[in-house]
Amino acid sequence: NAGVTQTPKFQVLKTGQSMTLQCAQDMNHEYMSWYRQDPGMGLRLIHYSVGAGITDQGEVPNGYNVSRSTTEDFPLRLLSAAPSQTSVYFCASSTSGNTIYFGEGSWLTVV
Amino acid sequence: KNEVEQSPQNLTAQEGEFITINCSYSVGISALHWLQQHPGGGIVSLFMLSSGKKKHGRLIATINIQEKHSSLHITASHPRDSAVYICAVPNYGGSQGNLIFGKGTKLSVKP
Repeated sequence: NAGVTQTPKFQVLKTGQSMTLQCAQDMNHEYMSWYRQDPGMGLRLIHYSVGAGITDQGEVPNGYNVSRSTTEDFPLRLLSAAPSQTSVYFCASSTSGNTIYFGEGSWLTVV
Repeated sequence: KNEVEQSPQNLTAQEGEFITINCSYSVGISALHWLQQHPGGGIVSLFMLSSGKKKHGRLIATINIQEKHSSLHITASHPRDSAVYICAVPNYGGSQGNLIFGKGTKLSVKP
C-alpha cells in the first residue's frame, strides 16, 4: 500500500493563477479531507468527503473547490490563487473509528 | 463547533524526564486522536481513543470522557521524541472526516 499520496510537494504560484493539489489513497477509505496549516493557527479543515460523490465545506472553504468522483481521489482546486492561500496543505484519509493517515504535505507559496 | 485547547504550547525537557501534554475539548465526542508532527512536516497518528487508556511503547494516552480531557504521557523521554504533538476531535455533530485540531505542543528533549 502506498497510503496517502499527495502532489506536488512544493509549488509557487502567481496571484490569480489556478492549480490543483492531488490526493490519492489506496486503502479504500471513505473519509478524505483537506487541511491547511498556518503558523499559530493549527490545522484547519478546508473541505471533506464522506464517500464518492459527497463533499462538504469545512472551516475555511473560500477560494477552494473539491470533487470526489472516485473513492481513491480527492483533488483540491485553487480557483484564483491569493497570497492568503500561502500555506502548507495536508490531505488525510480514514475509515470510521480507525487511524487517520496523512499525506506528506504540499508547501504552496502565492506571490 | 468543538473547541480544543492544548497545554502547554511549548515544553523543554531533559532526556529521561516524564512528559505530560494535556488536551481539553468543549463538546462530547466519540473518539480523540493524538498526532505527532516531526520537523520536516510529516504527520503520523499515535493514538485514537474513546475511553480509558492506551499504551504504545513509551507513549501512554488517557481520556476522561466525563471531564472532556485527554493526556499524552511520554516516559523516559528521548531527543528523538522532539516533535509537535497535536490532539484532534470530531467537530460538533461531525464525522471523522471533519476534525478540529489543537494548536499543538512543541516538545524539545535535550540530551
